[in-house]
Amino acid sequence: GQQVMQIPQYQHVQEGEDFTTYCNSSTTLSNIQWYKQRPGGHPVFLIQLVKSGEVKKQKRLTFQFGEAKKNSSLHITATQTTDVGTYFCAVYNAGNNRKLIWGLGTSLAVNP
Amino acid sequence: GAVVSQHPSWVICKSGTSVKIECRSLDFQATTMFWYRQFPKQSLMLMATSNEGSKATYEQGVEKDKFLINHASLTLSTLTVTSAHPEDSSFYICSARRGLDGGEQYFGPGTRLTVT
Repeated sequence: GQQVMQIPQYQHVQEGEDFTTYCNSSTTLSNIQWYKQRPGGHPVFLIQLVKSGEVKKQKRLTFQFGEAKKNSSLHITATQTTDVGTYFCAVYNAGNNRKLIWGLGTSLAVNP
Repeated sequence: GAVVSQHPSWVICKSGTSVKIECRSLDFQATTMFWYRQFPKQSLMLMATSNEGSKATYEQGVEKDKFLINHASLTLSTLTVTSAHPEDSSFYICSARRGLDGGEQYFGPGTRLTVT
């Protein structure tokens, strides 16, 4: 079945440093979604990318969808302690169940 | 908008008993609801997908007789863990989606189940 690989699994940064997490697929994706889960919390939708080469920004967060629609990245500029959490990418499977296929997530720790 | 509630937020039960978890979309109609299980520091594991008025579709390896799902209305889905055992202890999260295809999922706050 469809799979999405997400790296790195963990990342520790000093506050103010940048952070990037990557998602890769062997197949072309129709879209990709990004979620954030704070420790002890539930996933919260951040964004959905649909178009080839798409770039979207949300304040210090930049989301990119590759030209071939097989990879995506989430980049955080100048991390803050409020960025702590696990970032998941998820891709939509339009087949049975119309469900999301989830990456394993990247856990971000920010040292103040 | 797009708020999903889940009740209870945590529950402790004895082995052999059943536990029901409710998931409600408070301000929208959810055509589809999903039930996930999450182990500490791991990703979300989809258990089943439910559409209002029809039987849930379970993922491979998930026992449908143990995890009973009822999607009675466009705003309510329930998950019942029957004859719970300690290995069923986990964080259970529901999510809801407005449409049948694509679109973001809105998650409930989760239910922490501990079976003693």
